[in-house]
Amino acid sequence: DIQMTQSPSSLSASVGDRVTITCRASQSIANYLNWYQQKPGKAPRRLMFAASGLQSGVPSRFSGSGSGTDFTLTISSLRPEDSATYFCQQSYSMPPTFGQGTKVEIK
Amino acid sequence: QVQLQESGPGLVKPSETLSLTCSVSGASISSYYWSWIRQSPAKGLEWIGYIHSRGSNNYNPSLKSRVTISLDTSNNLFSLKLTSVTAADTAIYYCATYDNSGVNYWGQGALVTVSS
Repeated sequence: DIQMTQSPSSLSASVGDRVTITCRASQSIANYLNWYQQKPGKAPRRLMFAASGLQSGVPSRFSGSGSGTDFTLTISSLRPEDSATYFCQQSYSMPPTFGQGTKVEIK
Repeated sequence: QVQLQESGPGLVKPSETLSLTCSVSGASISSYYWSWIRQSPAKGLEWIGYIHSRGSNNYNPSLKSRVTISLDTSNNLFSLKLTSVTAADTAIYYCATYDNSGVNYWGQGALVTVSS
């Protein structure tokens, strides 16, 4: 299985800050990388697909980049409603695997 | 808009079979790859498997010997059976769609606890 490793595991930032989350795959996955946001008690929600594709309805302050093994999710200007846990997931090979999550808190 | 709703027992005894159903609305069961994913503090998000109406399925090798995912096209739903459960199978179980862009639609999740 392809291992997905996210960093940091958690972060605390202020409203308006630029936030970057990193995801590293244990082998090359081209651009088959998706990002999700999960709030407590809710199912995850897809934010990005194919590394940099913005899911319909997701604010443009979210962006993604990367290819191969290294990927980033960036929130350009953090808002209170962005407090959540973020997961990356590879869809390059079976079985699909997820990162362990990055919890974003608002200072 | 595709909507998914899990249903089934919230408590299962060790060594028994976990059974969940996902009701699909807003889409035909003949579309999409229909998946099950679970989430636990110990293992995080774990993909269980998928099925497509064309007959293809794919299971996580770590669970393959215990998992069956089936379709009920007459009632527009699909199901999960996981045999010989242990406490390690305690998790929130999500039904979902899946393709190579990941998961677009999720159910709300069903907590299943394995305990005697």
